[in-house]
Amino acid sequence: SQKIEQNSEALNIQEGKTATLTCNYTNYSPAYLQWYRQDPGRGPVFLLLIRENEKEKRKERLKVTFDTTLKQSLFHITASQPADSATYLCALDMTGGFKTIFGAGTRLFVKA
Amino acid sequence: NAGVMQNPRHLVRRRGQEARLRCSPMKGHSHVYWYRQLPEEGLKFMVYLQKENIIDESGMPKERFSAEFPKEGPSILRIQQVVRGDSAAYFCASSPIDRRGTEAFFGQGTRLTVV
Repeated sequence: SQKIEQNSEALNIQEGKTATLTCNYTNYSPAYLQWYRQDPGRGPVFLLLIRENEKEKRKERLKVTFDTTLKQSLFHITASQPADSATYLCALDMTGGFKTIFGAGTRLFVKA
Repeated sequence: NAGVMQNPRHLVRRRGQEARLRCSPMKGHSHVYWYRQLPEEGLKFMVYLQKENIIDESGMPKERFSAEFPKEGPSILRIQQVVRGDSAAYFCASSPIDRRGTEAFFGQGTRLTVV
């Protein structure tokens, strides 16, 4: 069956450390993979998109990797801050389709 | 430039009533997507519309749910004869083009509670 999995347990880290979130998928062949941030009671906000032929993408303190062999994406936040505390959603876009498939998200707590 | 506007933010309906959720896309955006989110779950795709056309409604329940995006005015997600299981957050997103490979801009959602 098709699945997209993110760590269901919350990730707690200390301010200044690097947070690493994982997104694994099975039986999908995404053309694109996206990461979104969602705060409680609010809509998701786009962060980064990476294409299937790209290995890594960076934006300020954010870095995303995409391994289509392992069917995995890693999302890194370096020099994390309490303001980075939120739920982070991984999303897959398929070739030829219009749906975006979202993971359930991982909650990140950054302690001062 | 206002973002995607959804209203109402909160909606309470009794079982059997109708719920109408509205979404005004960002200016210049003609593509609208509706998603449903249950607590502790990811967003589930419901329907993709362009002006006056339903492009993909494969995520919509076959009964009681309908969506439209008229030439003028907001996109409407309509749920008839609501049941408790319809309680969820409903999000709308918009994009200027078919958004495959591009970001979508989400609204703040409508939280529907069926009592």
